[in-house]
Amino acid sequence: NAGVTQTPKFQVLKTGQSMTLQCAQDMNHNSMYWYRQDPGMGLRLIYYSASEGTTDKGEVPNGYNVSRLNKREFSLRLESAAPSQTSVYFCASRGQPIGSGGGNEQFFGPGTRLTVL
Amino acid sequence: GEDVEQSLFLSVREGDSSVINCTYTDSSSTYLYWYKQEPGAGLQLLTYIFSNMDMKQDQRLTVLLNKKDKHLSLRIADTQTGDSAIYFCAESHYTDKLIFGTGTRLQVFP
Repeated sequence: NAGVTQTPKFQVLKTGQSMTLQCAQDMNHNSMYWYRQDPGMGLRLIYYSASEGTTDKGEVPNGYNVSRLNKREFSLRLESAAPSQTSVYFCASRGQPIGSGGGNEQFFGPGTRLTVL
Repeated sequence: GEDVEQSLFLSVREGDSSVINCTYTDSSSTYLYWYKQEPGAGLQLLTYIFSNMDMKQDQRLTVLLNKKDKHLSLRIADTQTGDSAIYFCAESHYTDKLIFGTGTRLQVFP
């Protein structure tokens, strides 16, 4: 049981290049998320997917696209990378509701460190 | 909109207690959480509290919630070097999304 896996771990891009960050979970979770982490700003939600076939914008979706390929996989695409997209990207999935049913425990992947020159 | 604030750094001596504070703005938050991020890793849920509770204790961890002041704290007793990490406060309101704070970097020195 690997949990949430992300590839690649590190990536350097030039401005204008495109790439796709891959994420997969083997816990049979319905909801999946993409966040970016920047110093002093915590985690900000880029996109999320409540179930297979659905995706919704989060707080900072501009410059990104996502695909929920199936229940296991949720990919994040940068069509034309910009230096402002230099960040650490985390994928997460939501487990069973905790507490009285409304609690939200998310399981995180190890992250992708992206640098855009 | 919703906002969650934390101080950026905390430094404590090994064996002392650490108290990490968080303030939030959404009065309709139903759950509040503490996540821990160790170096080079993703976040991991440490503990959580339901909004109708004032306190929750779990071994060395004590969570205090002051709903009136919208203030949440995490106390770590007998802090160890292995507790050095970034701690994130988060809140949710029966939704599929979490709102995270900026994170507090805890440094434990001998």
